[in-house]
Amino acid sequence: NAGVTQTPKFQVLKTGQSMTLQCAQDMNHNSMYWYRQDPGMGLRLIYYSASEGTTDKGEVPNGYNVSRLNKREFSLRLESAAPSQTSVYFCASSEPSQGIAQAFFGQGTRLTVV
Amino acid sequence: GESVGLHLPTLSVQEGDNSIINCAYSNSASDYFIWYKQESGKGPQFIIDIRSNMDKRQGQRVTVLLNKTVKHLSLQIAATQPGDSAVYFCAENNDYKLSFGAGTTVTVRA
Repeated sequence: NAGVTQTPKFQVLKTGQSMTLQCAQDMNHNSMYWYRQDPGMGLRLIYYSASEGTTDKGEVPNGYNVSRLNKREFSLRLESAAPSQTSVYFCASSEPSQGIAQAFFGQGTRLTVV
Repeated sequence: GESVGLHLPTLSVQEGDNSIINCAYSNSASDYFIWYKQESGKGPQFIIDIRSNMDKRQGQRVTVLLNKTVKHLSLQIAATQPGDSAVYFCAENNDYKLSFGAGTTVTVRA
């Protein structure tokens, strides 16, 4: 049981380049999330998808777009990367309909924008 | 700003002693709280949760206490082990979205 899988694990981009971070979960969860984590800070919510077909902005959505491709997959896109987007990105999923609000996290993608 | 915060950024504990990690929250309407453990290079892992209708919940070597009067949450780890060295986050549930505090780094001394 893989849980939440993120690809890639590491990435270096030049300013202005674009890329998509991939996330897939095999727990049949309805809700999926993208967080970023910066040094000395907690995780901040970028975007979330409460269910397949819906997406909503979180706390820090600027510079990002998301796609809920199907129930399993939720991708995060940086259209024009900036150094301020250097961070560790975590995807997570949960199943609120079962009263389980705890989120299960992937291993993270460490992104550096130079 | 953050609605959830931790009192101390670091905590050093002697192996075998008990650890107490504190967290203050500001949203009195929050009804669910979670503690996560994050080891270096890994994603956060669920430790224990508590709903607002409870004051205390125990797991294996861990206990979470909730004081709604002063909006305070704590995680107690009994007989701290080297494997407990990690960053610990409290998280507050808000409409099934989690808000995280900045974290406390726990270092276990041999």
